[in-house]
Amino acid sequence: SQQGEEDPQALSIQEGENATMNCSYKTSINNLQWYRQNSGRGLVHLILIRSNEREKHSGRLRVTLDTSKKSSSLLITASRAADTASYFCATVPSSGSARQLTFGSGTQLTVLP
Amino acid sequence: GAGVSQSPSNKVTEKGKDVELRCDPISGHTALYWYRQSLGQGLEFLIYFQGNSAPDKSGLPSDRFSAERTGGSVSTLTIQRTQQEDSAVYLCASSTLQGPFSGYTFGSGTRLTVV
Repeated sequence: SQQGEEDPQALSIQEGENATMNCSYKTSINNLQWYRQNSGRGLVHLILIRSNEREKHSGRLRVTLDTSKKSSSLLITASRAADTASYFCATVPSSGSARQLTFGSGTQLTVLP
Repeated sequence: GAGVSQSPSNKVTEKGKDVELRCDPISGHTALYWYRQSLGQGLEFLIYFQGNSAPDKSGLPSDRFSAERTGGSVSTLTIQRTQQEDSAVYLCASSTLQGPFSGYTFGSGTRLTVV
C-alpha cells in the first residue's frame, strides 16, 4: 500500500514560475525524502528531511515538514523546462524493523518553455 | 561501478514464460532493494537485501516472484510463469547501511512487457 499521497497528481506551469507539490503520509516517520523521475525510469534522490526538522533548502528546492499534520511540501523556485519530471515523496518509519522506503504515487510536473 | 546497473533495459516475453532481471549495485553498498512501478503509478516495494541477513520478502506479490543476491553483490529477480499484470518497470536501488537515512541510488530499471 502507498504510505504517501502526492497532491496534485499533475501540475503544469510556465518556465520561471514556482512549483509546489504536497505529500501526506499516515504513520510516524524517521525521515521523508523527495525523488525525481524522468521518463518513467530511474529515480534521483533530491533531498531528505528528518522528523525533527521543519524546513530544508537545497539550491532551488525548499522542503517543509509538518509532523503534526503528517504532511510535507516541495517547492521548486524559478522552474525550468528541465524540471519537467515526476516527483515522489518517500518515508522511512520511525519504529519497527522495516528499512525500506515507502513511496507515494507521485506528481507529474510539466514546465512549459 | 559508478552507478546501479540493470539489465536488460527492456524485455518482452510471452505469457507463461520465466524471466530473470539483473541488478548490479554500487560497489560497497550492502543494501539492495527491488521495486515495481506499474504505468503511471508509484513504486511498490518487492524485496530488500542487507548484507548476509535474511532478505525481507514481505513485498513479493506471489510465489511466482523470487530473488537472490549472490556474494552480497549482484541480484537477480526471477518471475516464473509471467502474467500480463506483471508488465511494469522493475527498479533496483542500492545503498549503504545508512541508506534509509541518507537516500538510495536507483538504476534505470527494466521495462517488462508480457504479451
